[in-house]
Amino acid sequence: DVKVTQSSRYLVKRTGEKVFLECVQDMDHENMFWYRQDPGLGLRLIYFSYDVKMKEKGDIPEGYSVSREKKERFSLILESASTNQTSMYLCASTNSNNQPQHFGDGTRLSIL
Amino acid sequence: KNEVEQSPQNLTAQEGEFITINCSYSVGISALHWLQQHPGGGIVSLFMLSSGKKKHGRLIATINIQEKHSSLHITASHPRDSAVYICAVGAGNQFYFGTGTSLTVIP
Repeated sequence: DVKVTQSSRYLVKRTGEKVFLECVQDMDHENMFWYRQDPGLGLRLIYFSYDVKMKEKGDIPEGYSVSREKKERFSLILESASTNQTSMYLCASTNSNNQPQHFGDGTRLSIL
Repeated sequence: KNEVEQSPQNLTAQEGEFITINCSYSVGISALHWLQQHPGGGIVSLFMLSSGKKKHGRLIATINIQEKHSSLHITASHPRDSAVYICAVGAGNQFYFGTGTSLTVIP
């Protein structure tokens, strides 16, 4: 069975900390995505990657960076966490935008 | 401006009712997706459509490319159908998402 695995389901961090969210997929997918999901706003794209060492900004990249050193792993980094980054973070992967995205279970991140 | 609009935002139904969720989009698309998200966060893909109609069990999805509109129907609804249903479109390099329809089916 195909799998997108996010490293944590729940995470609590403090303002100013550097936070790493990890995502691993076992489907050899080219494309990987990081979203955040907030009530009333739906899923918003933070960053995406179509290849190793390649990254593109999504709709809301400010305050975030990403790393894709290996095809199966896409990391989201909060450089200096702030309270407005408290949210549900979802990772997804697909081979093509003509194919369904496969989602991880999400990480509910709280910044105190 | 939202590229994908869903209606209704919230929906409560009695068990057994026929349910329709609507999705309109404003961009040229390669495919439209219906997703389901249960409490706890996990999202699963229900359908991917580029034309016509697809059926899976009690779920039916239709798309009208000319009108840029899609519907998700649930026949004989059941409390386990309670979830958030999200419409998404693949356009160019990106996916665009609706804000979701929260469905509650009451026994």
